[in-house]
Amino acid sequence: QKEVEQNSGPLSVPEGAIASLNCTYSDRGSQSFFWYRQYSGKSPELIMFIYSNGDKEDGRFTAQLNKASQYVSLLIRDSQPSDSATYLCAVNIEANAGKSTFGDGTTLTVKP
Amino acid sequence: DADVTQTPRNRITKTGKRIMLECSQTKGHDRMYWYRQDPGLGLRLIYYSFDVKDINKGEISDGYSVSRQAQAKFSLSLESAIPNQTALYFCATSDPDRVGYTFGSGTRLTVV
Repeated sequence: QKEVEQNSGPLSVPEGAIASLNCTYSDRGSQSFFWYRQYSGKSPELIMFIYSNGDKEDGRFTAQLNKASQYVSLLIRDSQPSDSATYLCAVNIEANAGKSTFGDGTTLTVKP
Repeated sequence: DADVTQTPRNRITKTGKRIMLECSQTKGHDRMYWYRQDPGLGLRLIYYSFDVKDINKGEISDGYSVSRQAQAKFSLSLESAIPNQTALYFCATSDPDRVGYTFGSGTRLTVV
């Protein structure tokens, strides 16, 4: 079992819809959770981080964490074509270790 | 100037050659990382360093070595390049406040 698993995708949604991206992790002691966006040929860019159970909202993005079920999700409301990218889930398994384990990513396409 | 600069951006080298990828940062972060990314896969950690005297192997360090010349500089070397080291290589930095990584633009390496 991989330490961090994401929906294999690709995921396609119409413009204006909600895109839902999911990630599960194997280590129950995981501490910090991140979502990165990566455009084709570019480097990953941090868009959300979450440490505590519940929801965290930033603009059109909402990260949701459920440590009991060991999953973290990213919701993108009012999806735009510019949201089309690969989204990487990353988990810091050790507290303050500062090194992240990444999932393989989910590619999202938002169709006009 | 970019916060994290990687050189070269692209490199084609022959099997058996030694090659160095360089990374420098202006963010003042102590923590630096080298990851590789293969098509359709997430990022895998090669080496990481929490300060000049603290260097650690990641999950795929075989065939690679690193040098932390200063707080701002972290180089990755392939002592004898082989074709399966063809990949996109990213340098990243972070600070201890656990807010995720800042990535460089990446080096696309092809070993022929």
